[in-house]
This record gives sequence, structure tokens and C-alpha cells, in this order.
Amino acid sequence: GESVGLHLPTLSVQEGDNSIINCAYSNSASDYFIWYKQESGKGPQFIIDIRSNMDKRQGQRVTVLLNKTVKHLSLQIAATQPGDSAVYFCAEIYTGANSKLTFGKGITLSVRP
Amino acid sequence: GAVVSQHPSRVICKSGTSVKIECRSLDFQATTMFWYRQFPKQSLMLMATSNEGSKATYEQGVEKDKFLINHASLTLSTLTVTSAHPEDSSFYICSASKGSGNQPQHFGDGTRLSIL
Repeated sequence: GESVGLHLPTLSVQEGDNSIINCAYSNSASDYFIWYKQESGKGPQFIIDIRSNMDKRQGQRVTVLLNKTVKHLSLQIAATQPGDSAVYFCAEIYTGANSKLTFGKGITLSVRP
Repeated sequence: GAVVSQHPSRVICKSGTSVKIECRSLDFQATTMFWYRQFPKQSLMLMATSNEGSKATYEQGVEKDKFLINHASLTLSTLTVTSAHPEDSSFYICSASKGSGNQPQHFGDGTRLSIL
């Protein structure tokens, strides 16, 4: 499982630059991964997902990369905008019986105008 | 599509009060609904999983008599925090899934519960 801290790490980027948010997941049996965006006072918003039989998936302005060998997941945001400022969580799940979604610690993305 | 509505968005009440939070899937039938708790600057922690028509499955350390969950239909689940105390103050978030674990969960906007 993930340890819980009182301060989320922060990534600060310049508007227009590309952002890369990294996540180390814990369960080697996990076969489905999701990135969520959470704005202040709101619930997590689905961004993109990827299954373990893939190593890359692209969406609109976002790309998720999966490296199962080192249990690493990343989210790339192209041409970062002020509206991208939020907390980003990776989540993992093993889709077998009694599976549950496990969230990572979260990273705050701050976009400088 | 896949909109989840949570109500109320904010509750402030006195210690000892019971508070009910509703979670509705507006445009899909949710086989499974989940309840999470989130403290400031922290991640979401799963409290319980509920399937329509059956008893909820609670995570270790979550008191089922304290946090009552009812999932009476495929579009509605409720969480009741009974006899709430200040330590129950938190951000409670529900999510709903159309199917099993390989379907994404769609989240409500959370309920900020403050117990005085």
C-alpha cells in the first residue's frame, strides 16, 4: 500500500510547456490503471486509463505510459494550461474478484501563467 | 455520460447528530458504488463497497455501525454517519461503476462534513 503524508509533492510548470507526472504503483498484479484529476473541493475526474497489455495510450492532450517492469506509470500533458492546475492521482486495480481501486499519494500540478 | 451526483455538498452540524449523504448515478445504472474518505492533503481511502440489494463490504478499520450504507437501487446509495463527532469531519466522496473492477469509477463531487 501507499504511505500517507501531510504534504503533496508539487510540480510547477510554465503555461504552454509539457508536464510529466510520475507514479510508482505497488501491486505487481494490478492490471488496470487510471489517472484522475481532482480540483479543489471536487471529486476526482477521470482523465485516461490503460490496461496492462498496453504500454502507451493517448488521449486529447494527454498520454499515459506504463512500465510494468519497474511498476511505473506516467501522465504526460501537452501544452499545459492554467485549467490543468489540480491534484493528480494515479490509481491501480487488479480486476480479479474482490478487487478494489487503490489511489496513489497524489501530486499537485501548478501552472505558472 | 457517466454523471454521479452527491448531495449535500456541505454539511455543518453539532456533535451527536446523524448525517445522511446521497450518491446518485444520473445517466447509468451502477452495479457497484463505493464510498471514500479524504483528509486534507491526502489521498482517497476506500471505506466500503456496496452492490445493489446486498450488504456493503467494509474495509478494515471502518466501523459498519458507525457508517451505515444502503444501496437500495441501481442509481442510489446512501451513507449515514451516525452520532457524528468532530473526528468524523472529513471529505466524503462516492463513486459508481457500471460493472466490475475493469470498469472505471465515476466520482461525485464529494461532501464536506464538519462536526462542531
